[in-house]
Amino acid sequence: KQEVTQIPAALSVPEGENLVLNCSFTDSAIYNLQWFRQDPGKGLTSLLLIQSSQREQTSGRLNASLDKSSGRSTLYIAASQPGDSATYLCAAPPSNTGKLIFGQGTTLQVKP
Amino acid sequence: GAVVSQHPSRVICKSGTSVKIECRSLDFQATTMFWYRQFPKQSLMLMATSNEGSKATYEQGVEKDKFLINHASLTLSTLTVTSAHPEDSSFYICSARGAANSGNTIYFGEGSWLTVV
Repeated sequence: KQEVTQIPAALSVPEGENLVLNCSFTDSAIYNLQWFRQDPGKGLTSLLLIQSSQREQTSGRLNASLDKSSGRSTLYIAASQPGDSATYLCAAPPSNTGKLIFGQGTTLQVKP
Repeated sequence: GAVVSQHPSRVICKSGTSVKIECRSLDFQATTMFWYRQFPKQSLMLMATSNEGSKATYEQGVEKDKFLINHASLTLSTLTVTSAHPEDSSFYICSARGAANSGNTIYFGEGSWLTVV
């Protein structure tokens, strides 16, 4: 059974810092790896999706990598801003069914 | 982009009553929808998979008679929490899967906060 773990659970950084959020999964047979943002009390915003055949995806200041062999993905946020403060969730669907298995999330606070 | 709408966004109900949450795909047909539950400071846990025109598939530990799911059309799935108890208070969020020609992209609703008093 797939398990997804995110470390750290919480992170506080000063504005402008580059940071890395970690996501690990136990079963390398994933269909893709997705990163989401969740603001307090809100739904999910899709950030990046890495297909299982890909190594990384980039969108603006965000870069996500995927290493299936080690069961890890990282989300790199460059030049962090207070507006980046949110909870970041990774999800690893085991197949193309649409089911997502989520990690516990990393709550990021970027201080001005 | 594709939009998934949930209603209501917040609902308070009395213990013992039932409450219905709707999940609508506004500009695409969703053959499959998913219902998740998120307790405070925890991650999203899949409750069930809703397939249009057939019975929902529930995850282990989710009571199908308590959480009734209906997916009567390609744009609407409903989750009814029956005989609600305070421990059912949670954030419920749905996702909808687009058609194969849209890359099977998953779209999430805005979520519904349920408080049972």
